[in-house]
Amino acid sequence: GAVVSQHPSWVICKSGTSVKIECRSLDFQATTMFWYRQFPKQSLMLMATSNEGSKATYEQGVEKDKFLINHASLTLSTLTVTSAHPEDSSFYICSANQLRGGIEAFFGQGTRLTVV
Amino acid sequence: GENVEQHPSTLSVQEGDSAVIKCTYSDSASNYFPWYKQELGKRPQLIIDIRSNVGEKKDQRIAVTLNKTAKHFSLHITETQPEDSAVYFCAEGDDKIIFGKGTRLHILP
Repeated sequence: GAVVSQHPSWVICKSGTSVKIECRSLDFQATTMFWYRQFPKQSLMLMATSNEGSKATYEQGVEKDKFLINHASLTLSTLTVTSAHPEDSSFYICSANQLRGGIEAFFGQGTRLTVV
Repeated sequence: GENVEQHPSTLSVQEGDSAVIKCTYSDSASNYFPWYKQELGKRPQLIIDIRSNVGEKKDQRIAVTLNKTAKHFSLHITETQPEDSAVYFCAEGDDKIIFGKGTRLHILP
């Protein structure tokens, strides 16, 4: 089946630094990928839609200058959390869709970000 | 905008009994309704999905029903087992997936 790989699986960074998370579709091309954030005991909240070769589309309330998204190829999207603060600590998950008789979403394994 | 309501937030059932989780959605144009199981610290795992051209789908102990007129869909797990304990999310979307708030299911011994 389709595989989406996310890296790193966990990261600890100091407050004020930036962190980059990668999301790769390993065996299919994805013109669109999605980034979610999940706080403890909460649901996955869609942050933005990453579009290959163009600007990302951000959901309401998500700061585009803080969460930089780049989708430079059909198999890679990156999310950079800039000037991270402790409140940015969360579980970040990406997904990509594949057409299988209809759209089906495939998720990366997630990245646990801890800002200290 | 899209909105998915999920109930209950927590559900405890005796092992062997059935569990039912219900969701409603607001976007009448939605055609795809997946259900995910998520274990702590892991990615959501698709357990079953339904598309708008059918009203019910079953896969062994898991079934999903869809009522497009009422805009609600439900997950049914029969003969529950300890390994069914997890958080379950309903979702909707033809492109971007919008999740419900989740149901923490506890299977009691």
